[in-house]
Amino acid sequence: LAKTTQPISMDSYEGQEVNITCSHNNIATNDYITWYQQFPSQGPRFIIQGYKTKVTNEVASLFIPADRKSSTLSLPRVSLSDTAVYYCLVGPSGSARQLTFGSGTQLTVLP
Amino acid sequence: NAGVTQTPKFQVLKTGQSMTLQCAQDMNHEYMSWYRQDPGMGLRLIHYSVGAGITDQGEVPNGYNVSRSTTEDFPLRLLSAAPSQTSVYFCASSYSGLAGPSGEQYFGPGTRLTVT
Repeated sequence: LAKTTQPISMDSYEGQEVNITCSHNNIATNDYITWYQQFPSQGPRFIIQGYKTKVTNEVASLFIPADRKSSTLSLPRVSLSDTAVYYCLVGPSGSARQLTFGSGTQLTVLP
Repeated sequence: NAGVTQTPKFQVLKTGQSMTLQCAQDMNHEYMSWYRQDPGMGLRLIHYSVGAGITDQGEVPNGYNVSRSTTEDFPLRLLSAAPSQTSVYFCASSYSGLAGPSGEQYFGPGTRLTVT
């Protein structure tokens, strides 16, 4: 299993860019990296997914270096409503037994 | 579309009791999965299914049974509840896989289970 490590918590101010990094040193060749957002008392919600280099969608960017041993979720110009726990997930599209969720990063956006 | 629904929202069991957590999805997804979430430990995969009639174990399957007779439903059974199974349980579905292309998972609202 690709063990993942994330910071426990981060604080930011409204309007700033936030970068959350996930370390996955023993990621396998066929593993993908996915990020989810979770609000209290709700199920996680998909944010973005990638395999290598950079992926961007309407809410976030995902940066994956060439060695793929880490990944960085970038949230541009955060607002108070972005306060949530963010999880990285590493695993292949095939066997789910190799799936590993990180323990999550609590992002708090301050006014 | 209702997405992924779970019942009940809350449940209290005594040690040794059995119960079934219900999960249903209306997106015609092939993959469905069950996770448990404990404080400070993220989500851990219990069981998953790649289609009707096909299930497999995840990281923490002991004490839980699943079956998948239809595409829409994926119930999770606790045969003899233990205090260690106190947790929040999430069901999820996805079109194809639990990660990677088409592996975007849609999660239900969760069931908070307490075993005394």
